[in-house]
Amino acid sequence: QKEVEQNSGPLSVPEGAIASLNCTYSDRGSQSFFWYRQYSGKSPELIMFIYSNGDKEDGRFTAQLNKASQYVSLLIRDSQPSDSATYLCAVKGGGQGAQKLVFGQGTRLTINP
Amino acid sequence: DAGVIQSPRHEVTEMGQEVTLRCKPISGHDYLFWYRQTMMRGLELLIYFNNNVPIDDSGMPEDRFSAKMPNASFSTLKIQPSEPRDSAVYFCASSLTGRETQYFGPGTRLLVL
Repeated sequence: QKEVEQNSGPLSVPEGAIASLNCTYSDRGSQSFFWYRQYSGKSPELIMFIYSNGDKEDGRFTAQLNKASQYVSLLIRDSQPSDSATYLCAVKGGGQGAQKLVFGQGTRLTINP
Repeated sequence: DAGVIQSPRHEVTEMGQEVTLRCKPISGHDYLFWYRQTMMRGLELLIYFNNNVPIDDSGMPEDRFSAKMPNASFSTLKIQPSEPRDSAVYFCASSLTGRETQYFGPGTRLLVL
């Protein structure tokens, strides 16, 4: 079982709709959770991070965390064609591994105009 | 700020040759990370440094790979001898203690023939 799992997609969403991206992780000791966006041929860039159960909103983006279910999600409201990219979920542990990020395979998202 | 700088941006070499990838982190950052990204395995952490000291090299695939950080502004990742399965995009990232964001460089696209 992979440590961080995502549906690889592609996920296709019409412009203006809500895109929902999901991620599960296996290490119950994980402390913090990240969503990175990667455009084709470019490097990953951080969108959001979340520590606590519940929702965290930043503009059109909402991260949701459920530690009991070991589940993280990212919602993108009012999707735009510029949101078309691969979205990487990443998890960071505590203790000695506190700086180590483990990434999922990524979900490719396409927003259709 | 110039961001994380990597060189070369592209490298094509033949099997058995030595390859050296270079990275300059963002000035003032005390963490430096080396990642490898392939279609099959996704984005994987190879090694990371804190204040120029290697902290976790458990992701380094085998003895053919080595990394150094002789000072706060420079790191190298060396592959000797290179093999076709080393073909990937290698990213360097840096971050600052207490901050969650890892800033990725543009990557080096390596092709081993």
